[in-house]
Amino acid sequence: AQSVAQPEDQVNVAEGNPLTVKCTYSVSGNPYLFWYVQYPNRGLQFLLKYITGDNLVKGSYGFEAEFNKSQTSFHLKKPSALVSDSALYFCAVRAYNTDKLIFGTGTRLQVFP
Amino acid sequence: AAGVIQSPRHLIKEKRETATLKCYPIPRHDTVYWYQQGPGQDPQFLISFYEKMQSDKGSIPDRFSAQQFSDYHSELNMSSLELGDSALYFCASSYPPQAFFGQGTRLTVV
Repeated sequence: AQSVAQPEDQVNVAEGNPLTVKCTYSVSGNPYLFWYVQYPNRGLQFLLKYITGDNLVKGSYGFEAEFNKSQTSFHLKKPSALVSDSALYFCAVRAYNTDKLIFGTGTRLQVFP
Repeated sequence: AAGVIQSPRHLIKEKRETATLKCYPIPRHDTVYWYQQGPGQDPQFLISFYEKMQSDKGSIPDRFSAQQFSDYHSELNMSSLELGDSALYFCASSYPPQAFFGQGTRLTVV
């Protein structure tokens, strides 16, 4: 069965410091992996996705994520955090043979000035 | 633990018919979100409710309406269905800081 785990409920980081939001997955076959961001009282916004190719994927707002097949991880990163990055971040996965996304429970990112 | 329950899991309707999708959030969750995911597409935000009041609205067609009831369950009503409405419809419920997604309802319009 497909599953996604985001082990941290909340991540706190100072503005200007690098940030990492963790995600691990379980899926049969090659995974399609996604990161979404949700601002307060708003819907999901797409950040980036990994389908195939380079393991380092660059997305919106300076975010990037690294696909690690051996560790079944797809951690979200940003070299220098902004206060405006504070939001809820969701990792999602789907198997190659389905269009259904499975979401993690989200990680609250709090960036302090 | 209880999760977000969506019903039905699968629904087949004909064009111009009406469909109602239901979402039962996790107890004590005060916010419900609806998303539509078309074939090969990212989920698109439709609408959200906080404490039974609409809190945000996304790309929801005028043919669609939704509401959240006193028991916090939510219903998405879709009228004059079109072939393009065929999609997965996800509901999520939230009590900060996390949100939990249901398994989705797959709507097929024929």
